[in-house]
Amino acid sequence: KQEVTQIPAALSVPEGENLVLNCSFTDSAIYNLQWFRQDPGKGLTSLLLIQSSQREQTSGRLNASLDKSSGRSTLYIAASQPGDSATYLCAVTGGTSYGKLTFGQGTILTVHP
Amino acid sequence: NAGVTQTPKFRVLKTGQSMTLLCAQDMNHEYMYWYRQDPGMGLRLIHYSVGEGTTAKGEVPDGYNVSRLKKQNFLLGLESAAPSQTSVYFCASSYGGMTSYEQYFGPGTRLTVT
Repeated sequence: KQEVTQIPAALSVPEGENLVLNCSFTDSAIYNLQWFRQDPGKGLTSLLLIQSSQREQTSGRLNASLDKSSGRSTLYIAASQPGDSATYLCAVTGGTSYGKLTFGQGTILTVHP
Repeated sequence: NAGVTQTPKFRVLKTGQSMTLLCAQDMNHEYMYWYRQDPGMGLRLIHYSVGEGTTAKGEVPDGYNVSRLKKQNFLLGLESAAPSQTSVYFCASSYGGMTSYEQYFGPGTRLTVT
């Protein structure tokens, strides 16, 4: 059974700092990996999707990498801002799972001015 | 283009009551999913559908039923609500197939069962 772990569970940083969120998964036979953002009381917003054949994806200040063989992904946030404060979730899709996502528990990020 | 919408946004039920949560998407997606989110448990898949008229069980299907009579709608039913079903319910959809499973989520329904 696939298990997804995110470290750290919570992170508090000053504005402007570059930071890295970690995600690991136990079964490397994934189809893709998706990073989401969730604001309190809201739904999930997709940030980046990495196909299993890709090594990284970038969107603005966000960069996500994937090392499928070691079962790891990182989300890099450059020049963090208070508006980046949210919970960040990592989720993977298995190769034959019809897109069903297995989620990590999330990292709660607080960026203080 | 509204994306994925969910009705209602909030609901309080008494134990034993029934209700239906509605999910609608206007992106012509084939695949649709229902998840629940609980503190300490994360998001878990309840049921999913890979096309109109099809449904399948996910990780935590007990106590729920679903129907996909129209491609754009996916209904989640609770026949006899229990306090353990107090949760936030999210619907999601994706194109499906081998091109992309990128999922788009609705805003959620917060359900309390007393």
